[in-house]
Amino acid sequence: GAGVSQSPSNKVTEKGKDVELRCDPISGHTALYWYRQSLGQGLEFLIYFQGNSAPDKSGLPSDRFSAERTGGSVSTLTIQRTQQEDSAVYLCASSSGTRLVKGTSYEQYFGPGTRLTVT
Amino acid sequence: AQKVTQAQTEISVVEKEDVTLDCVYETRDTTYYLFWYKQPPSGELVFLIRRNSFDEQNEISGRYSWNFQKSTSSFNFTITASQVVDSAVYFCALSAQKGIQGAQKLVFGQGTRLTINP
Repeated sequence: GAGVSQSPSNKVTEKGKDVELRCDPISGHTALYWYRQSLGQGLEFLIYFQGNSAPDKSGLPSDRFSAERTGGSVSTLTIQRTQQEDSAVYLCASSSGTRLVKGTSYEQYFGPGTRLTVT
Repeated sequence: AQKVTQAQTEISVVEKEDVTLDCVYETRDTTYYLFWYKQPPSGELVFLIRRNSFDEQNEISGRYSWNFQKSTSSFNFTITASQVVDSAVYFCALSAQKGIQGAQKLVFGQGTRLTINP
């Protein structure tokens, strides 16, 4: 079946502009995650959504970052007033986990990422 | 706090050699999960394996094998008879079970860049 898709694949923006990154998870996956991969910081967790629960926003680096997930499916990560340090590859992942049974975990399947360059 | 350390930044070997990628983790959680992901030059992260903290059985899948040792908090990955196609960045990751929710954020190591030379 179809994997996680992300758009756009590349985004170049000027410092101070807002950007929106989109993630379409695997159909039926209830959990959706955003990560960021940059040279200096490696792979960092940003936020995740799990069903109807409140999202875990603990990884968002500043209040310029926000994300929403509409209808339990597609998610949009928004970065306001972009800065050069926001340049990175933004990765989305999804997994099928809902209620966890001991001994069970759910692999996260990653999309191809959006490469954001802030000039 | 959780932490994953991959001390080897880069490894370069000749094709057909065996190579082991090290991963050491820290967590205070009693139930946790360990993962390995591969990131080839195309950039997409590919899931390789998951281990549960209460299952220390080692696992072999073709040329890949994983050695999980709780006593040393390590989860090492060995590629036997390496091939050029194995060239990639490999990430070790950790997540902890929190309550009954299945969603678990991953904490990644810094990655090991593996180059297999023909």
